[in-house]
Amino acid sequence: GQQLNQSPQSMFIQEGEDVSMNCTSSSIFNTWLWYKQEPGEGPVLLIALYKAGELTSNGRLTAQFGITRKDSFLHISASIPSDVGIYFCAGQGANAGGTSYGKLTFGQGTILTVHP
Amino acid sequence: KAGVTQTPRYLIKTRGQQVTLSCSPISGHRSVSWYQQTPGQGLQFLFEYFSETQRNKGNFPGRFSGRQFSNSRSEMNVSTLELGDSALYLCASSLDRPGVNTEAFFGQGTRLTVV
Repeated sequence: GQQLNQSPQSMFIQEGEDVSMNCTSSSIFNTWLWYKQEPGEGPVLLIALYKAGELTSNGRLTAQFGITRKDSFLHISASIPSDVGIYFCAGQGANAGGTSYGKLTFGQGTILTVHP
Repeated sequence: KAGVTQTPRYLIKTRGQQVTLSCSPISGHRSVSWYQQTPGQGLQFLFEYFSETQRNKGNFPGRFSGRQFSNSRSEMNVSTLELGDSALYLCASSLDRPGVNTEAFFGQGTRLTVV
């Protein structure tokens, strides 16, 4: 089945620093999504990407859909303490035979710690 | 616009019991998906419902089932609970309209503990 490798697993940075994380897949995805999850809460959608090569920003966050459709990265600039949390990438494949309806494949998550 | 609402937030059950979790999607969203989140396995897809029909299913045993009502609200049921079923159960809703890019929005989840 499809596998997503997300790296790094964790990051410890100083407030104000930039940070990047990425996901690679063994299969092609049609959609890449990036979520942030805080303790005791559900994942919150940050950015959605729908086209290979697409670069999209949401405030200090920028994400790109890789040209090969097998990878994506998320970049956070000028980090602040409230950026702390777990960041997940998720991909949705082509819906051949209905196999992708509602199904997101998630990476293992990147735990981000920001020191003031 | 209200987000995805899951009830209850927390639940403690005993092995062998069954449990029903509820999810109300964002108004107008017709697709509801369910996920299990555990520290060891991460987020795993359980199943998806659209217009009261299950369109897709993940690799979980038959003890896990679900349904969707005409108002798009969904429930999932786990029978004969096992200790390993302890997890955060998440529901996601999406618009799922042809020709429109749709994103999945998650609820806060139901934390199930099986003792």
